Amino acid sequence: EAQVTQNPRYLITVTGKKLTVTCSQNMNHEYMSWYRQDPGLGLRQIYYSMNVEVTDKGDVPEGYKVSRKEKRNFPLILESPSPNQTSLYFCASSSGTGGTGELFFGEGSRLTVL
Amino acid sequence: AQKVTQAQTEISVVEKEDVTLDCVYETRDTTYYLFWYKQPPSGELVFLIRRNSFDEQNEISGRYSWNFQKSTSSFNFTITASQVVDSAVYFCAFTARDTGRRALTFGSGTRLQVQP
Repeated sequence: EAQVTQNPRYLITVTGKKLTVTCSQNMNHEYMSWYRQDPGLGLRQIYYSMNVEVTDKGDVPEGYKVSRKEKRNFPLILESPSPNQTSLYFCASSSGTGGTGELFFGEGSRLTVL
Repeated sequence: AQKVTQAQTEISVVEKEDVTLDCVYETRDTTYYLFWYKQPPSGELVFLIRRNSFDEQNEISGRYSWNFQKSTSSFNFTITASQVVDSAVYFCAFTARDTGRRALTFGSGTRLQVQP
C-alpha cells in the first residue's frame, strides 16, 4: 500500500530536549516536504526536498532542521524545541521533479512542548 | 503573494442537505493549481481534487462537485445530499507552477458538521 509514515504520532516533550520526527515514503517519490498545522492558520511549509541531499527552507523554517540522506526518508529535527513549536506536523511526498502533482500526506504527528 | 481565503469557519447542516464550501484565491500567476483536501476527525489529510488554471470545466464525482471560476477567482466545493461521514475540516489550497518549492498555500479551513 502506497503510504507516507510518520513517527511518533503523538509526543509530549519539554523545552530544549532534542527530538526527531521520522518520515518515510514507499512510493519512490523524489519530492518530500514538511508542514505544520495550527488553528486558524491552515498548513504552512517548513522545509522541502527535491531529491537526495537537496533541501531548502519553506515559509516557517526557524527552529527546525531536516536531512535527506536516502530517497525514502526525510526526518524533521527540533534541536531545542520551544512551546511555540507545539503543533500538528505533516510530512508529504510527491512524484516528479517539476509540475504540481498530488501531495500524499502522512497521518500527522501531534507534538506538545511544555 | 498568493492567498487563499475560506471565509466560512464552520458550517452545520442536517443530513441530506446540500452544502457549498467557498474558496477564493489571489494570485498574479497565470498558471496555477487548486486543490481540495479533507481532514476527518482522525486527522489525516485526504486529497479530493486538483484543478489547473486552464481547465475551467466543472467536475462531479459522486456527491461531490467543484465549480472553478477564474473570473471571480473562486473554486467552490459542493456536497450534495450530505452524510454524517462528510463531517470534517475541508481545506482549499493553491500552488503556482514552479519546479522548486512546490509549496501549497492553504486556506484556514472550513469545519463541516453534518447532523443526523
